[in-house]
Amino acid sequence: RKEVEQDPGPFNVPEGATVAFNCTYSNSASQSFFWYRQDCRKEPKLLMSVYSSGNEDGRFTAQLNRASQYISLLIRDSKLSDSATYLCVVNNFGNEKLTFGTGTRLTIIP
Amino acid sequence: GAVVSQHPSRVICKSGTSVKIECRSLDFQATTMFWYRQFPKKSLMLMATSNEGSKATYEQGVEKDKFLINHASLTLSTLTVTSAHPEDSSFYICSATSGRLVGEQFFGPGTRLTVL
Repeated sequence: RKEVEQDPGPFNVPEGATVAFNCTYSNSASQSFFWYRQDCRKEPKLLMSVYSSGNEDGRFTAQLNRASQYISLLIRDSKLSDSATYLCVVNNFGNEKLTFGTGTRLTIIP
Repeated sequence: GAVVSQHPSRVICKSGTSVKIECRSLDFQATTMFWYRQFPKKSLMLMATSNEGSKATYEQGVEKDKFLINHASLTLSTLTVTSAHPEDSSFYICSATSGRLVGEQFFGPGTRLTVL
């Protein structure tokens, strides 16, 4: 079983719609959780951290369920510029290494 | 702040040659640097963790004699792919952490290596 699993998509969504991504992780010792965004042939960039209490940054909302080992990302009022691959990333307790999911590819359609 | 550069951005080389990739943290001191490899439509795979002044820690399955890592200062790490072969063609990305926030890494723009 992969340590971090994501639905690879692709998700093709009309502009203005709401889209949700899910991610599960297998290591219960995982400590920190992130969503990164990666544009085609570019490096990943941190989108947001994910906290147990849930957190929101503009149109983006991230949720963490430790009991189910489940992370989600919600994008509201999607824009064309949101088209990218969204990477679920996990950090395990005691080290600084990050484990990346394979990513979910999102395309916003005009 | 927190800018990481990589050089070169793209390299094409013949099979059997060695290629050096530089990773620099431009505006902060990186306590740790990481090297990743990403094949098309695949996830980033960590190759090794590098700390200044000490030997790199390689992930399982990564040949340390083939992928030489040198972390000479708090702002520079280099990855040398020795005797490159076509199967080494990939997107190599470095990242750096300042140690300020656990799990926060700043990524370089990546180096696309093509071995003919």
